[in-house]
Amino acid sequence: GAVVSQHPSRVICKSGTSVKIECRSLDFQATTMFWYRQFPKQSLMLMATSNEGSKATYEQGVEKDKFLINHASLTLSTLTVTSAHPEDSSFYICSALLAGGRDQETQYFGPGTRLLVL
Amino acid sequence: TQLLEQSPQFLSIQEGENLTVYCNSSSVFSSLQWYRQEPGEGPVLLVTVVTGGEVKKLKRLTFQFGDARKDSSLHITAAQPGDTGLYLCAGGGWSDYKLSFGAGTTVTVRA
Repeated sequence: GAVVSQHPSRVICKSGTSVKIECRSLDFQATTMFWYRQFPKQSLMLMATSNEGSKATYEQGVEKDKFLINHASLTLSTLTVTSAHPEDSSFYICSALLAGGRDQETQYFGPGTRLLVL
Repeated sequence: TQLLEQSPQFLSIQEGENLTVYCNSSSVFSSLQWYRQEPGEGPVLLVTVVTGGEVKKLKRLTFQFGDARKDSSLHITAAQPGDTGLYLCAGGGWSDYKLSFGAGTTVTVRA
């Protein structure tokens, strides 16, 4: 149980285009999902918290107009990188919060999306 | 600045040896989670510890949460090449479910 998928797994795009990444919780409902960015050989950096039915909350320094987040259902959150530039190239990972008892407030991660902007 | 300090940053050992990874902080966490991540993949949850002083054992892996809920350790007995990966500890917040990640420990187990 607690499986999270991401699509696409890899994407290459031209500078100036927009790219949408999907994050789905496959076997549970998640009112809260998170989006992270990870640079090579570094840890995960939280970008934003995605809340079902409401606006996402962004971490300091993350441009909300650059990284659009939509959490329209209890199993799907999307991250759109708008007007992508080479510096946006990175590994983007989402997680979904499985909430229940105290032991179940755990984030389960997707497999990640490798974005390369040319 | 990382809220959680992991040590060592890199660890290379021979198959069959034991290893310990440490995760320390000056902050108190509601829970502490350990993940293992392989290149090009997302982190996979190994364990969640929620009680100060708690010890959890999963086969050859032993996880400990400090009494003060500020630190944790991961001990692997008789390491195998399949244990190779990036080990991440993450502390849980008290009200927002956010995780604060350590910088990670890259473990390489040589056959």
